[in-house]
Amino acid sequence: AQSVTQLGSHVSVSEGALVLLRCNYSSSVPPYLFWYVQYPNQGLQLLLKYTSAATLVKGINGFEAEFKKSETSFHLTKPSAHMSDAAEYFCAVSESRQGNLIFGKGTKLSVKP
Amino acid sequence: EPEVTQTPSHQVTQMGQEVILRCVPISNHLYFYWYRQILGQKVEFLVSFYNNEISEKSEIFDDQFSVERPDGSNFTLKIRSTKLEDSAMYFCASSGGEETQYFGPGTRLLVL
Repeated sequence: AQSVTQLGSHVSVSEGALVLLRCNYSSSVPPYLFWYVQYPNQGLQLLLKYTSAATLVKGINGFEAEFKKSETSFHLTKPSAHMSDAAEYFCAVSESRQGNLIFGKGTKLSVKP
Repeated sequence: EPEVTQTPSHQVTQMGQEVILRCVPISNHLYFYWYRQILGQKVEFLVSFYNNEISEKSEIFDDQFSVERPDGSNFTLKIRSTKLEDSAMYFCASSGGEETQYFGPGTRLLVL
C-alpha cells in the first residue's frame, strides 16, 4: 500500500535561508511523486512532479526536489526562502498516471523576517 | 489559464440534510476526482470518475456519497444525509490523462 510521511508538521526558517521539507514514500511500483502548496484559504497548487524522467525536478517559485529511490525520498528544497513562501506544503504519491493521490500530513512553512 | 472551479465556496447545513457540491473541471479533461480535508488533517481521496463511471473509490466513499456528471461541464458530489463528521473542505480535481491533477479552490462544508 502506498503511504507518504512528511517529517515535521511545522518548519520555520529565516528569510534568505535554505528551505528543506522532507518527504518519504512507500510504493510497490515506481511512483509518481508530487509536491503541492496550499496558501491560506486556497486550493492546492502543483509545485513540481516526478514522473520517472530526471531525478532532479525543478518547479515553480524556485523550488526543486530530488527523487532518491534508494532512500525512498523526495525532499523539497529552495536555496533562499522568501516571505511569500509561507504556506502549507503537501507531498503526494500515485502508482499510476490517473490514479488517486495519497497525501502526506503536510508541513506548514513559516518564514521569519 | 484554465482552472477548476467549485461552488459554493462555503456551505452550512443541518445534520441529516442532503448537500450537493458542484465542480466545473477544466474543459478538455477526462478524469475527475473528489478529495476532502478535515480540519487539521491530511487530504484524503474519496472517488475518481472516468467515462461516466466511478473508476476507484476509498472506504470513506460509502452509500451516503454519490457522484454524477449531469452534463458536459459539471461534476457533482452528493452527500445524502450529512453527519457531523462530514464537516471538511472538499476539493475537486481534474486531469487530462497525464499525471497532474488540477485542484479547485474547495468547498468548506460545515454540518451542524
